[in-house]
Amino acid sequence: GQNIDQPTEMTATEGAIVQINCTYQTSGFNGLFWYQQHAGEAPTFLSYNVLDGLEEKGRFSSFLSRSKGYSYLLLKELQMKDSASYLCAVQPGGYNKLIFGAGTRLAVHP
Amino acid sequence: GAGVSQSPSNKVTEKGKDVELRCDPISGHTALYWYRQRLGQGLEFLIYFQGNSAPDKSGLPSDRFSAERTGESVSTLTIQRTQQEDSAVYLCASRQATANTEAFFGQGTRLTVV
Repeated sequence: GQNIDQPTEMTATEGAIVQINCTYQTSGFNGLFWYQQHAGEAPTFLSYNVLDGLEEKGRFSSFLSRSKGYSYLLLKELQMKDSASYLCAVQPGGYNKLIFGAGTRLAVHP
Repeated sequence: GAGVSQSPSNKVTEKGKDVELRCDPISGHTALYWYRQRLGQGLEFLIYFQGNSAPDKSGLPSDRFSAERTGESVSTLTIQRTQQEDSAVYLCASRQATANTEAFFGQGTRLTVV
């Protein structure tokens, strides 16, 4: 079966750093995506990892360990506008199907 | 068009009626996905198209749900004999054929069954 786990909610302070974890168990692996979704809006792409290691993109970084079935999204210098849900999505082997976790709701406080 | 377009944006229907939800993907995107998102929940996979065929329709909740895609473009998700538990936002996404490309989402159709 396919299983993707993320914490349900997190809180953090403006200016701080937060790490959102994602663990997955899928029948095959062909890449992992992180998306951001503000309330009432469509998800938007943040990052993609297919090889082990860290991918950095401005204030956001994403890490992948395929052997551990583990990824995290690191958000630095948090801003109030970063309050949103963060969705981890895995592409299992075979067809280009995308399976999403339930998402992590992040609340950034002043 | 510039992005993924879904229509209608909102739909209120009576229990037992049929509804059709439409998705216009980005031109040239061969992969198309339908997801369901209940309030405060994650994205539930429904069906995936590659071109006009659906290699994976394992997420369709029941035989009341069906989807088709024509011309490697527009897709329609049909829900027959709607039930209150069908109330949700239905999201469509498209992307190019290669596995390492991002999927672009439409704004969704908010379906309310009363």
